[in-house]
Amino acid sequence: EAGVAQSPRYKIIEKRQSVAFWCNPISGHATLYWYQQILGQGPKLLIQFQNNGVVDDSQLPKDRFSAERLKGVDSTLKIQPAKLEDSAVYLCASSIQRSGNEQYFGPGTRLTVT
Amino acid sequence: GDSVTQMEGPVTLSEEACLTINCTYTATGYPSLFWYVQYPGEGLQLLLKATKADDKGSNKGFEATYRKETTSFHLEKGSVQVSDSAVYFCALLATGSGNTGKLIFGQGTTLQVKP
Repeated sequence: EAGVAQSPRYKIIEKRQSVAFWCNPISGHATLYWYQQILGQGPKLLIQFQNNGVVDDSQLPKDRFSAERLKGVDSTLKIQPAKLEDSAVYLCASSIQRSGNEQYFGPGTRLTVT
Repeated sequence: GDSVTQMEGPVTLSEEACLTINCTYTATGYPSLFWYVQYPGEGLQLLLKATKADDKGSNKGFEATYRKETTSFHLEKGSVQVSDSAVYFCALLATGSGNTGKLIFGQGTTLQVKP
């Protein structure tokens, strides 16, 4: 069974530029999560989708971050414009159920904002 | 709000030494508890979990027991190997009403095992 796929693996941009990350969850997983992991900290949830609807985006900085999950499969997370403090690893995870009892994580995208 | 606190790292051990990584939590209700591991260059992997008080999760020689009375979920292994070198994250999943499946993580503990 294929795992959660993410791309790109690494990205370097200048502040005020925009960037997009892509995630393909495990086949059949209805719930998709985006987490932000700043160096030295644990991951923090940014947004959770159930199929193509948003369940929780309470910690998403909506003035600069946006995410979508068209057709309830792949998802894209965008930052526009980026700030220095957005430098982090962006992790995508998926689970079969909304309860999130078994979340499977992708390898992450490491973003560096200069 | 809900939170998880882990012992500070890094933890450096010799091969075959005993390991304990402390984890305590604050939560409303009775959350499910998890240990995730992150090997260098890889994503997070679920190591073990426990869903109710007194449950013991185990995998790959690692164990952790859900202690409601002390709100703890310490990770233990009797004999570590060099291949266990990684960052370990304790996490909780709230199970109260309105739960959306959000994992709340501790800050992570780096384990380095020397031959």
